[in-house]
Amino acid sequence: DTGVSQDPRHKITKRGQNVTFRCDPISEHNRLYWYRQTLGQGPEFLTYFQNEAQLEKSRLLSDRFSAERPKGSFSTLEIQRTEQGDSAMYLCASSHTSAYYEQYFGPGTRLTVT
Amino acid sequence: SQQGEEDPQALSIQEGENATMNCSYKTSINNLQWYRQNSGRGLVHLILIRSNEREKHSGRLRVTLDTSKKSSSLLITASRAADTASYFCATDPIQGAQKLVFGQGTRLTINP
Repeated sequence: DTGVSQDPRHKITKRGQNVTFRCDPISEHNRLYWYRQTLGQGPEFLTYFQNEAQLEKSRLLSDRFSAERPKGSFSTLEIQRTEQGDSAMYLCASSHTSAYYEQYFGPGTRLTVT
Repeated sequence: SQQGEEDPQALSIQEGENATMNCSYKTSINNLQWYRQNSGRGLVHLILIRSNEREKHSGRLRVTLDTSKKSSSLLITASRAADTASYFCATDPIQGAQKLVFGQGTRLTINP
């Protein structure tokens, strides 16, 4: 499968715990995006990378969130000291810089904070 | 905050009927896309229409774009049960730092 993959698909954690999600983009794509989607809403932009450089972060990305793409391939999104409001689907997408808007999405990681 | 608003929020029709969903947005755009999302899954790209295009077709899908009204519509003809999903419009704003801005979606249910 050469699409975008995300791991894990589901994560249940207790409030206050740290969680980390992984995204593997389509191999030839140099752009990688993270979005968050809450129930009944559309995805909201969190951050994106071009190769290993993080070029923009949304105001939604509080200090408890950190994202990395160390070698310009896979990316991780870490949430520290999780809160119930962090419960959402976290979606990853990748694209070419030349057609950044043609984004291919992974299946998402559903986070539930209890 | 999200740029787009979609109308209706939910739509239920009989198999074989046509389904029309509308999307309105606030700022000037480079292009607009429609995505489908099955329950609890990732988004699947359906169709892209550029700001200089007014209508585009792909199979049973027809998309229109009216940049003067900042609105788009997605028509699915001859609906099937497998079309049951949520449909989102996503805009690429001209002044948007190269990220997609999604609407809130239309939940489409096709009844057999």
